[in-house]
Amino acid sequence: RKEVEQDPGPFNVPEGATVAFNCTYSNSASQSFFWYRQDCRKEPKLLMSVYSSGNEDGRFTAQLNRASQYISLLIRDSKLSDSATYLCVVNEQEKLTFGTGTRLTIIP
Amino acid sequence: EPEVTQTPSHQVTQMGQEVILRCVPISNHLYFYWYRQILGQKVEFLVSFYNNEISEKSEIFDDQFSVERPDGSNFTLKIRSTKLEDSAMYFCASSAPPGSGPFGPGTRLTVL
Repeated sequence: RKEVEQDPGPFNVPEGATVAFNCTYSNSASQSFFWYRQDCRKEPKLLMSVYSSGNEDGRFTAQLNRASQYISLLIRDSKLSDSATYLCVVNEQEKLTFGTGTRLTIIP
Repeated sequence: EPEVTQTPSHQVTQMGQEVILRCVPISNHLYFYWYRQILGQKVEFLVSFYNNEISEKSEIFDDQFSVERPDGSNFTLKIRSTKLEDSAMYFCASSAPPGSGPFGPGTRLTVL
């Protein structure tokens, strides 16, 4: 079983729409959780941390369900600049384990 | 805002040659990492480094790989005898407590 599993997409979404990504992880001892964003041929950049209580940063909302080992990301009112690959990332001790990423393209 | 920097941005080498990839982590960070990403694949952990020693390494990080912090500012990844399958983007990262520190812009390694 993959350690961090994501739907690879691609998701092609019209500008202004709401889009949701999901992710599952296999290691129940994982300590912290993140969504990263990666543009083509660039480094991953931290988008937001994910907490069980749910957290919001502007148009972005992240949620963690530890019991189901499930992480989600919701993007509201999507912009053209949101086009990127979104990486679900789990922190185990001192290493980050990445999902394969979900490719998102926002269509004008 | 402080950044992690990496040099070179692109390295081309012949199979069997040694390469050294360089990183300058953020100055007050204590944990240093190397990750790699083969084209079209996911980002993979290679090694973490703390207090001048390796704290964790993956199966990928075999005897051909080594890391060093030679002078208190640089953090290097050496591949002793490169193979075709070492072609990838190599990202350095650093953090204060262990975890999600920023990544450098990467070095694209091409092994011919």
